[in-house]
Amino acid sequence: EIVLTQSPGTLSLSPGERATLSCRASQSVSSSYLAWYQQKPGQAPRLLIYGASSRATGIPDRFSGSGSGTDFTLTISRLEPEDFAVYYCQQYGSSTQLTFGPGTKVDIK
Amino acid sequence: EVQLVESGGGLVQPGRSLRLSCAASGFTFDDYAMHWVRQAPGKGLEWVSGISWNSGSIGYADSVKGRFTISRDNAKNSLYLQMNSLRAEDTALYYCAKDNDGRPTGEIDYWGQGTLVTVSS
Repeated sequence: EIVLTQSPGTLSLSPGERATLSCRASQSVSSSYLAWYQQKPGQAPRLLIYGASSRATGIPDRFSGSGSGTDFTLTISRLEPEDFAVYYCQQYGSSTQLTFGPGTKVDIK
Repeated sequence: EVQLVESGGGLVQPGRSLRLSCAASGFTFDDYAMHWVRQAPGKGLEWVSGISWNSGSIGYADSVKGRFTISRDNAKNSLYLQMNSLRAEDTALYYCAKDNDGRPTGEIDYWGQGTLVTVSS
């Protein structure tokens, strides 16, 4: 089973700042089958990024994903008020077990 | 518009059983794999189980293997989760989720709003 670690646990930033979130896998994630989700309080998660770097439908271009192998990054170029939320990475594609990282909370400084 | 509506949650005693259902609409249900993902109160997301479009490929998290059974009825556009031998640590909001692929190994592109399962005496 691939274990995902996310850092930092909490990121305190101001609107307009750049956010850089990290996701590290315990072993290589095949073919960059790595996704990122955003979850706001009381809401279901929303897919942001799949295939490590492809934006999902309707996702603003201030969200970008990068990385390969075991190290992946989600970047939010300029934080908007609606971006303060919890972000999860998830690996897929290997066997039939999916795993999520523990999440990074982006809150207002 | 894709809609996933879960039902069947509630309060149940430890050791008892519960069956969750998910009614899907707005897409061709039998083209896609489906998943159950849960979230304990105040905690992160935990994948529970996934099933391919034709039920030929099924996977479970180690934490539920042998106790939970996922199934689907493509004629009824429905997904199910039979949960037996429930434990306090199974208490969570259970989400029904759609895969972007026919196998349960793609990204999850749609989620329901969840149904709450509380295991307590």
